[in-house]
Amino acid sequence: DAKTTQPPSMDCAEGRAANLPCNHSTISGNEYVYWYRQIHSQGPQYIIHGLKNNETNEMASLIITEDRKSSTLILPHATLRDTAVYYCIVSDSWGKLQFGAGTQVVVTP
Amino acid sequence: DAGVTQSPTHLIKTRGQQVTLRCSPKSGHDTVSWYQQALGQGPQFIFQYYEEEERQRGNFPDRFSGHQFPNYSSELNVNALLLGDSALYLCASRTPSASYNEQFFGPGTRLTVL
Repeated sequence: DAKTTQPPSMDCAEGRAANLPCNHSTISGNEYVYWYRQIHSQGPQYIIHGLKNNETNEMASLIITEDRKSSTLILPHATLRDTAVYYCIVSDSWGKLQFGAGTQVVVTP
Repeated sequence: DAGVTQSPTHLIKTRGQQVTLRCSPKSGHDTVSWYQQALGQGPQFIFQYYEEEERQRGNFPDRFSGHQFPNYSSELNVNALLLGDSALYLCASRTPSASYNEQFFGPGTRLTVL
């Protein structure tokens, strides 16, 4: 079973920030938080990951709480192309990725 | 630089048959993982191959087997197909030098079992 809990769906207006929450209360000390997304009919795509510090790259920002039991993925300016299923995953640096059901994000004009 | 490629794109089989799916990893990658994604669900880990050996396996029966070749490409074999094996089969690869678990996924093979 996946080690994370995410809301099943959320809507976001184009141009606004999308904030995707994730709970991972059983995360181990050596596990990272990863975010992937899957656009319809494609394979999943890596977005970002973090251990305990906040992270930012060209796609998104990741905010991890101090106790590491939850995190938030932020898409700063959502576009229609960001419509996808977003998966929050906890994993070590080598092993399998355990996907849950993810959050279906729909960006509307 | 080609990414992860998979063949065939689509496949239709009948119950009891056997199937072989193929995957070529991204250039420079030596580790290949296979995932099964049923309709409306997240991908489920089947197994991972590194240095031509299965190094990690998910909760799948022995009907699912694999192989990795010296050029790092990989095959997934499924015997005695069941209707429940109908799914999108995804292959993912990663580089050995990466310090984190970024896996690159192919477009998948859609298997339909009738």
